Amino acid sequence: GNSVTQMEGPVTLSEEAFLTINCTYTATGYPSLFWYVQYPGEGLQLLLKATKADDKGSNKGFEATYRKETTSFHLEKGSVQVSDSAVYFCALSVGAGNNRKLIWGLGTSLAVNP
Amino acid sequence: DGGITQSPKYLFRKEGQNVTLSCEQNLNHDAMYWYRQDPGQGLRLIYYSQIVNDFQKGDIAEGYSVSREKKESFPLTVTSAQKNPTAFYLCASSIDPGQGPYEQYFGPGTRLTVT
Repeated sequence: GNSVTQMEGPVTLSEEAFLTINCTYTATGYPSLFWYVQYPGEGLQLLLKATKADDKGSNKGFEATYRKETTSFHLEKGSVQVSDSAVYFCALSVGAGNNRKLIWGLGTSLAVNP
Repeated sequence: DGGITQSPKYLFRKEGQNVTLSCEQNLNHDAMYWYRQDPGQGLRLIYYSQIVNDFQKGDIAEGYSVSREKKESFPLTVTSAQKNPTAFYLCASSIDPGQGPYEQYFGPGTRLTVT
């Protein structure tokens, strides 16, 4: 079946460190892939997306590349800030037409210390 | 500003009472969704609606009900039949799911506590 697996958290980094949060997926066809971010006590915000193999999504210094050969969509940032502390969710879209839905990873909590 | 509003932010109820959570969007989106979020369990889909006056059960619909009488509104009722209703509830919307890359946009959430 369709699924998303994220690395378990919490991830704790110092400010300006390099961030990688791993995400791998299982799906048939060619899903779109997403990263969402949730700050404490808030809803989710779309961080970036990629719709086909080898696409790179980027936003606010975060990047992720759609790797079909490894079925992965790892999130990276070169230099994290305290304000990046949040929970990050990887998701993929499955189905077609009105049967489309998102499959969610369990989320990875990131804490950045000054 | 376009967006999704959920009210209230915090809601407290006694066990055995039904409670309705509000969700309104002014994005002119066709589809709307309700998710439940519990610690360590990610997001679980409760109900979704692609068009007015139509909705489908998600993965955990038991103990919940919804209506979609207007395109902008998709209220969720947590009934007394829901065995463990305390959770963070998130409403989302998207354009026609048959088109585009299908990202969903989220409201700020309602934290429901039932005692």
